[in-house]
Amino acid sequence: KAGVTQTPRYLIKTRGQQVTLSCSPISGHRSVSWYQQTPGQGLQFLFEYFSETQRNKGNFPGRFSGRQFSNSRSEMNVSTLELGDSALYLCASSLAGYNSPLHFGNGTRLTVT
Amino acid sequence: KQEVTQIPAALSVPEGENLVLNCSFTDSAIYNLQWFRQDPGKGLTSLLLIQSSQREQTSGRLNASLDKSSGRSTLYIAASQPGDSATYLCAVSYNTDKLIFGTGTRLQVFP
Repeated sequence: KAGVTQTPRYLIKTRGQQVTLSCSPISGHRSVSWYQQTPGQGLQFLFEYFSETQRNKGNFPGRFSGRQFSNSRSEMNVSTLELGDSALYLCASSLAGYNSPLHFGNGTRLTVT
Repeated sequence: KQEVTQIPAALSVPEGENLVLNCSFTDSAIYNLQWFRQDPGKGLTSLLLIQSSQREQTSGRLNASLDKSSGRSTLYIAASQPGDSATYLCAVSYNTDKLIFGTGTRLQVFP
């Protein structure tokens, strides 16, 4: 069974640009969550989608948005990039959400210059 | 504020030692607690998930215990090997799919 796939693996953008990251969950998984990982703040929750609906949202500005498609694939968008958005963005999927183990992808490394 | 703390931040041990990694959380009303490992430049691998009603979970050389009342969990690694070298993270959830992560313990096991 294929794991969680995130594309692209690496991205370099300049301040002010926008970026879209993609996540394909494990087949059959309906919940997709996004996390930001930085050396200073560690792992922080961005949002979670279940059956195309956002169920939870973390404390990030509105520049961070996401969506989930009917096939459970998810995208995350960051507009008006700032230097502080440089991070590893991790996507995780689970069968039904809470109380199911999360399976993480290898992440997208975003560098903003 | 719901916070998760892990001690120690880093650990370096010779192969074969038994290890204990600690995780503490401020709000004991957790739904579950998970332990993950992260290899450099990679995503997280789920090791163990403990439901709030459970006291421990075991998988191979790994054993995780949970004491909700004191807000603590420990991950016990038996007979450590160089392949166990990684960062170990614990995370708690409070009835949602949002996980609150600890800062991690960076483990190095040398031959």
